[in-house]
Amino acid sequence: KAGVTQTPRYLIKTRGQQVTLSCSPISGHRSVSWYQQTPGQGLQFLFEYFSETQRNKGNFPGRFSGRQFSNSRSEMNVSTLELGDSALYLCASSSVRVSEAGELFFGEGSRLTVL
Amino acid sequence: AQSVTQLDSQVPVFEEAPVELRCNYSSSVSVYLFWYVQYPNQGLQLLLKYLSGSTLVKGINGFEAEFNKSQTSFHLRKPSVHISDTAEYFCAVSAGENKFYFGSGTKLNVKP
Repeated sequence: KAGVTQTPRYLIKTRGQQVTLSCSPISGHRSVSWYQQTPGQGLQFLFEYFSETQRNKGNFPGRFSGRQFSNSRSEMNVSTLELGDSALYLCASSSVRVSEAGELFFGEGSRLTVL
Repeated sequence: AQSVTQLDSQVPVFEEAPVELRCNYSSSVSVYLFWYVQYPNQGLQLLLKYLSGSTLVKGINGFEAEFNKSQTSFHLRKPSVHISDTAEYFCAVSAGENKFYFGSGTKLNVKP
């Protein structure tokens, strides 16, 4: 089956702009999580959506937001970009199947550079 | 809240030597434990997980990990590493609801 797809893979923005990243989960997966990965902070949890509802949220400012559509595809948006937002943004989907309990399936990420 | 500590940011090792990557966690509740691997320019891939039962967990690519509740540790081991094991390894904990806490990662560098 097809894996988690993230678009775009690479993008460059300038401070003050906003950006939208997209994630298509594995078919049948209803949970989508977002993580920010930076060399200094490692992997940090942004938020998780399940059946179009935000179920968990990490400790990020309100500039970071997300949503999930009825087909489970998810988008995250970062407004008023800052230099410190430069990072690899990873999306992960997961299943409710017992055999896959607790497993996150990651996409290859969207690498954002803010100039 | 949960937290994860990976004490070693980098571990150099020669090919065919054994390796242990350390992971300690703190949590006030029961947790599930995971090891993920990230190859360059890729996302993370699950190596193994501990949900319950036997404390020795075997994963893919010959890796295994042992859950030690008294020491709150979940160290990853491989008896003989290959060049292809060069990657970054992340330990993670979850108390459920798909909210994971990841360690800062350990870069394994396997030398010929």
